[in-house]
Order: sequence, then C-alpha cells, then structure tokens
Amino acid sequence: KAGVTQTPRYLIKTRGQQVTLSCSPISGHRSVSWYQQTPGQGLQFLFEYFSETQRNKGNFPGRFSGRQFSNSRSEMNVSTLELGDSALYLCASSQYDSYNSPLHFGNGTRLTVT
Amino acid sequence: AQKITQTQPGMFVQEKEAVTLDCTYDTSDQSYGLFWYKQPSSGEMIFLIYQGSYDEQNATEGRYSLNFQKARKSANLVISASQLGDSAMYFCAMRDVEYGNKLVFGAGTILRVKS
Repeated sequence: KAGVTQTPRYLIKTRGQQVTLSCSPISGHRSVSWYQQTPGQGLQFLFEYFSETQRNKGNFPGRFSGRQFSNSRSEMNVSTLELGDSALYLCASSQYDSYNSPLHFGNGTRLTVT
Repeated sequence: AQKITQTQPGMFVQEKEAVTLDCTYDTSDQSYGLFWYKQPSSGEMIFLIYQGSYDEQNATEGRYSLNFQKARKSANLVISASQLGDSAMYFCAMRDVEYGNKLVFGAGTILRVKS
C-alpha cells in the first residue's frame, strides 16, 4: 500500500507570493491533517479534513487555508507569504477521525520564503 | 496548558543497549490515544507505536515498547538493543476528544546512538 504522498518536496518562494501544497493520503483513509514544523514552535496543528469537511482548525491566520476533494486528496494554500512561514509542512492521513486511529505522515514539503 | 511533556531534550545511548525516552501527558478525557513517532534528519515522521487509554497491557512493536503508567500519566518509550539507525528525533503525541482528536505533540527528544 502506498504511503502518504506530498508534493512538492521543496519550494522556494518570495515574500508576498502564494503557495499551494498537495497531499495524497493512504488509500482508504478519509481523514487528512496538516502540520507546520519549525525549530522555534515545534509541531503545530493547522487543520483537519474528513470527507471534504473541515473538522478542526488550529490557531493560524486566515492566510492559511485548505480543502479536501472527493477522492480524499487535500491541498493547503498559504497566501501573502511571510518570512515566518518558512517551515516543514507535514500532511498526515488516518483511517478514522478517532482518538485511537494513528496518523501516518508524508515526507513533508520544505518551504523557504525569502 | 501544555498537554505533552518530554523532559529530555537529548539522550545518548551505546549501541546494543536499551534506552527509555520519557513522556508525560495531561488530559481530562477518559478516552485518549498515545503515540510515538520517529523523525530522522530527512524529515519524514514515522509512526512507531500506539497505546490506548483503555489498554491494560503495555504496547509492543518489535524493539519498541511503551511503558504505560496511567495513574502517573506517563507513556515512556523503551527501545531495546539500540542500533545506529535509531539516531533521530522522537516525539510523543496524544489524541483526545477534548482537542477534537487532533494530534498534539511534545517538544521531542533527540536520540544519538554511539558505536
């Protein structure tokens, strides 16, 4: 079974631009979550989607948005990029939206904002 | 309030020895799940082991075991027979209903295995 696939692996953008990251979950998984990882803040939850509906949202500004498609694939968009948005963005999928369902992560997209 | 606490920023262990990585958690829920993840320098986050709040037995997965002490709210990861490839960052994490089942991570522990 293929794992979680994130594209692209690396991105370099300029302040003020926007970026879209893509995530394909494990086949059969309907829940997709996004996390931001930085050296200073650690791993922070961005949002979670289940069956195309946003179920949970972290404490991030409205510049961060996401969506999930009917095939469970998800995209995350960041508009008006700031230097502080430089981070590793991790996508994870799980079979169920439940406390006992493990999240399986992709390799991440490393975003650098200059 | 911080929900997951990993008090060891870094650990060293000799190859082939066992090592324990500490994790304490805080939740008012009765139903929750505890997870350990490994993150090598390449950045991928690898799921290692899971312990449910209602599980009476400690979870084991190969060389990984979870020492679950519910009354003390601790969920320590034990790695037996350490290998050089175990050198990585290790994260303890929890999902509970109070936080909408989102996965909340600790700060992590860097483990270095010495030959």
